[in-house]
Amino acid sequence: GAVVSQHPSWVICKSGTSVKIECRSLDFQATTMFWYRQFPKQSLMLMATSNEGSKATYEQGVEKDKFLINHASLTLSTLTVTSAHPEDSSFYICSARWGVGTEAFFGQGTRLTVV
Amino acid sequence: QKEVEQDPGPLSVPEGAIVSLNCTYSNSAFQYFMWYRQYSRKGPELLMYTYSSGNKEDGRFTAQVDKSSKYISLFIRDSQPSDSATYLCAMSGVAGGFKTIFGAGTRLFVKA
Repeated sequence: GAVVSQHPSWVICKSGTSVKIECRSLDFQATTMFWYRQFPKQSLMLMATSNEGSKATYEQGVEKDKFLINHASLTLSTLTVTSAHPEDSSFYICSARWGVGTEAFFGQGTRLTVV
Repeated sequence: QKEVEQDPGPLSVPEGAIVSLNCTYSNSAFQYFMWYRQYSRKGPELLMYTYSSGNKEDGRFTAQVDKSSKYISLFIRDSQPSDSATYLCAMSGVAGGFKTIFGAGTRLFVKA
């Protein structure tokens, strides 16, 4: 399957700081990337959908000013958690697909801990 | 009612058993159906991808889609302890702009 690389795999940051997570499609051009959040023993919660070159579409209840998403190229999307607080601690996962109706491939996930 | 229903388990089976995992859904517009495997603290890994109704086999894995019943299944033959993971069904279609909708995931334990 296609490869999606997510970096970093884990990060610890202080409360009030911002953290950037990168998601790269290594062997295909991703027209759409998705960002998810996952709590322990729970399923994936879609946060936002980003299409290359346009603004991200956020799911209801997700603060767009808190979770900044940029999809500047066909191989890179970033999620920035701004002014992070302990309640933002979670597992964040991206996925990417090359076209409508195609399968999505996931990154390895990023475990964020805010202290 | 959730768009996709999946029993979270856990499901515990002995090594070598045939495992049956399934999901039901309510939106008849779904056209693409997927199964992912997720190990603890890792991103989901795509196992099977099917379009519309029918069966698809890949090694020990068989995916079935019955659109008339809005029911999909994943069968694992000769299950191994390494198959212990959470299995997520997912689907997408015209409705919702091809957004992928996930089931809750079923936790599977295969005992040696």
